[in-house]
Amino acid sequence: EVQLVESGGGLVKPGGSLRLSCAASGFTFRDAWMSWVRQAPGKGLEWVGRIKSNPDSGTTAYAAPVKGRFSISRDDSKNTLYLQMDSLNAEDTALYYCTIHRSGYFNSWGQGTLVTVSS
Amino acid sequence: DIQMTQSPSTLSASVGDRVTITCRASQSIGSWLAWYQQRPGKAPKLLMYETSRLESGVPSRFSGSGSGTDFILTISSLQPNDFATYYCQQYVGFPGTFGQGTKVEVK
Repeated sequence: EVQLVESGGGLVKPGGSLRLSCAASGFTFRDAWMSWVRQAPGKGLEWVGRIKSNPDSGTTAYAAPVKGRFSISRDDSKNTLYLQMDSLNAEDTALYYCTIHRSGYFNSWGQGTLVTVSS
Repeated sequence: DIQMTQSPSTLSASVGDRVTITCRASQSIGSWLAWYQQRPGKAPKLLMYETSRLESGVPSRFSGSGSGTDFILTISSLQPNDFATYYCQQYVGFPGTFGQGTKVEVK
């Protein structure tokens, strides 16, 4: 059974940083493209960024609102995905989901970790 | 970015009703459309992809149709577990973009 378990969320001040983790199991993580998708409180879904599998180059791509501030990485030896978030602002307050990125859509989702940016 | 617009935003229905949700893209996306269901307090769940391909385990009362810019999600006979918010997502363009969601609520 596929499991994606996010952690690392919390309350952070504007301008601060946070690193989210996603522990994956139940599938071949090293071959999977992975994405982060976020959902602001009471709002819709927004794709944040993606990382390809290392055999497919391991390259990353980001949505415009987070480009230059967020960074996605992966440790295939630990089956773990990361999201480093810097220069956070109130608009980044959201539930952050780790997802398996399959051909452009998202076929498995974690339960999410909440990030709140507030002074 | 390709804009996705769903209608209606909220839909009131009863168990057993046939429900349709529309999703319109700002430009042609071929058949590269996915649908997700999000129950309250839960993560989204993939229902179908490539417009009409049902994800494994999804009941056959869910179906999808359309191509180009106009798409429809149909629930043939609404069940209690189906009261949720539904999102469409295009994935032909980069980045993939979601509709704003359609909440199916109890009438």
